[in-house]
Amino acid sequence: EIVLTQSPGTLSLSPGERATLSCRASQSFSSAFLTWYQQKPGQAPRLLIYGTSRRATGIPDRFSGSGSGADFTLTISRLEPEDFAVYYCQQFGTSPWTFGQGTKVEIK
Amino acid sequence: QVQLQESGPGLVKPSGTLSLTCAVSGGSITTSNWWTWVRQAPGKGLEWIGEMYHSGSLSYNPSLRSRVIISMDKSKNEFSLNLSSVTAADTAIYYCARLSVGGREGGYDSWGQGTLVMVSS
Repeated sequence: EIVLTQSPGTLSLSPGERATLSCRASQSFSSAFLTWYQQKPGQAPRLLIYGTSRRATGIPDRFSGSGSGADFTLTISRLEPEDFAVYYCQQFGTSPWTFGQGTKVEIK
Repeated sequence: QVQLQESGPGLVKPSGTLSLTCAVSGGSITTSNWWTWVRQAPGKGLEWIGEMYHSGSLSYNPSLRSRVIISMDKSKNEFSLNLSSVTAADTAIYYCARLSVGGREGGYDSWGQGTLVMVSS
């Protein structure tokens, strides 16, 4: 199965700063099949980005995704208070579909 | 807007069977979507359990395949998860979710709120 490794495990930043989250895969797959979710405490995950770079409905443009092959990135250009959460990447390239272990973005 | 709601026992005894149902409202379960179960152990990440299409097509995580059955009741617009021979390692929040009409290129665009199932005697 494809293992997704997210880094860093925790990102401590202040509102207004830029966040860069990495998701690296154990093998390459089509960028069409890389998805990002945001999860806040006590809530279900929320779809942020699909197809590596396409924002889901209602997602603000401060969120952007990029990458290809086995190396993908989620960028939050300027952190808003509501962006502090855990972010997961997921691949649909090869079954079983797998998730990264998550990156927690916390307030510094 | 489609909504998903999980239901089922919050406590299951070891070696027993975990049974959950996901009620779908605001849309039909026979649309061009795969219907999915995902779980999250306390304080841990997300694990894909399996998924079903209204045609009857199924796909399971190999790590759970011998113990999992996902089924669908179109008349009730709901789908279900059965996980047998449970142990404490199966304690988790169980989510049902919908894969978007874009399929693998679209991600899970609707989620239930999740239900915590504890395995304990």
